[in-house]
Parts: sequence; C-alpha cells; structure tokens
Amino acid sequence: AQTVTQSQPEMSVQEAETVTLSCTYDTSESDYYLFWYKQPPSRQMILVIRQEAYKQQNATENRFSVNFQKAAKSFSLKISDSQLGDAAMYFCAYRSADFGNEKLTFGTGTRLTIIP
Amino acid sequence: DTGVSQDPRHKITKRGQNVTFRCDPISEHNRLYWYRQTLGQGPEFLTYFQNEAQLEKSRLLSDRFSAERPKGSFSTLEIQRTEQGDSAMYLCASSFRGGPDSPLHFGNGTRLTVT
Repeated sequence: AQTVTQSQPEMSVQEAETVTLSCTYDTSESDYYLFWYKQPPSRQMILVIRQEAYKQQNATENRFSVNFQKAAKSFSLKISDSQLGDAAMYFCAYRSADFGNEKLTFGTGTRLTIIP
Repeated sequence: DTGVSQDPRHKITKRGQNVTFRCDPISEHNRLYWYRQTLGQGPEFLTYFQNEAQLEKSRLLSDRFSAERPKGSFSTLEIQRTEQGDSAMYLCASSFRGGPDSPLHFGNGTRLTVT
C-alpha cells in the first residue's frame, strides 16, 4: 500500500517571501502521479499542481513549483511571492497510474500561515 | 458550471440515528467520489462511481455505510446507526472521466457531528 507523509504540521512565511512544503511517499510502483491540493477555510479542496512520475521535468504553475526527486521519493512544493490568499491547509496526494485505480492517498497536511 | 454541491453543510445527530448526505456533481461528470476527512487528517477514500455503477469500496466503508448514484447524476451517502467515530467531514468530488488526467473537483463537504 502507498503512504504519503507530510512531516511539517504547520509552516509560516512572511508575505512576498518563499516557502517550501515537504512531502515524502512510499510506493513500489514505477508509474504514478503526485498532487498538491489546497484546502482554505472554505473547506473546498483545490488542485494546485500535478506531477507525472515518468516526467523528469518539475511541474510549475505560476508561483507554485515542485521539486520532484523520484529516487528519494520526495515531492516538495515551493510557493514564491507568498500572498495572503495562500493561507490554507496543503495536502500532498498520490495516485497510481493504473487507469482503473481511482483512489487518491493523501498526507496529513501542512497548515500554512502568511504573516502580513 | 456551478461546481460540486453538497447538502447539508452541517449535520448534528445523536448516536444511533441514521443520516443521509447528498452530493450533486458537475453535470456531465461521470465519475463521483466520496472521501472522509477526520480532524487533523487528510481525506481518506471511501468509494467511487462511474455513472450509476459503484466500482470500488474502501474497507473503511463498513456495512453501516451505503452509497448510491441511482441515475448516474446525484449521489447519496447513508450512515445507519451512527457512532461517535463517524464524526468527520464527508467530501464529495467529481471528474469528467477517470484517470489522472481528469482532475477532481471537490465540494465544500458535509460536516457530521455525532453526539
């Protein structure tokens, strides 16, 4: 079974600074997908960024980028130029590449606070 | 596209009562998913539907839990004889089709409190 570990329950960053959230995972599969989701106080989970394991290039979405280290099974999220609206719980998630396996496995989350 | 809608937003019930939650996915999305999120944890997969067919159920879904999607549109999740351990946020999500290329769209969840 796959597991996802987020070892930072809480992080804080000054507005406009950069912060990195950590995620490690364990799997025996060679092909899979990794995700970062954001859950603001409104409770709706929102997809931030996605990485395909067979792609060596790290994914980027505007101010959000990942550092994907497949051998180390590490998948960190970097948020640049932090904004007040980035305050939320951030969850790392794993999904098998098997088309019939629809399950997302989530970590326990990191609460990000933005300091004005 | 009005998003995934869940009703009710909050539910407080006494132990032993039955509760039912509803999820309306984004129209034309054929995949519908239920997750449970307890305090301080990430969401845990419960079950998913392709149209009206329930294709996978987690071991977390005990026989007190039943989910349906009778016409391939909205879905209901019923919990019978609720226990305090059922207190959690129940999240619904939908996607246009299966596979990792089709992102999940989540609703705002139903928060259940069992007293």
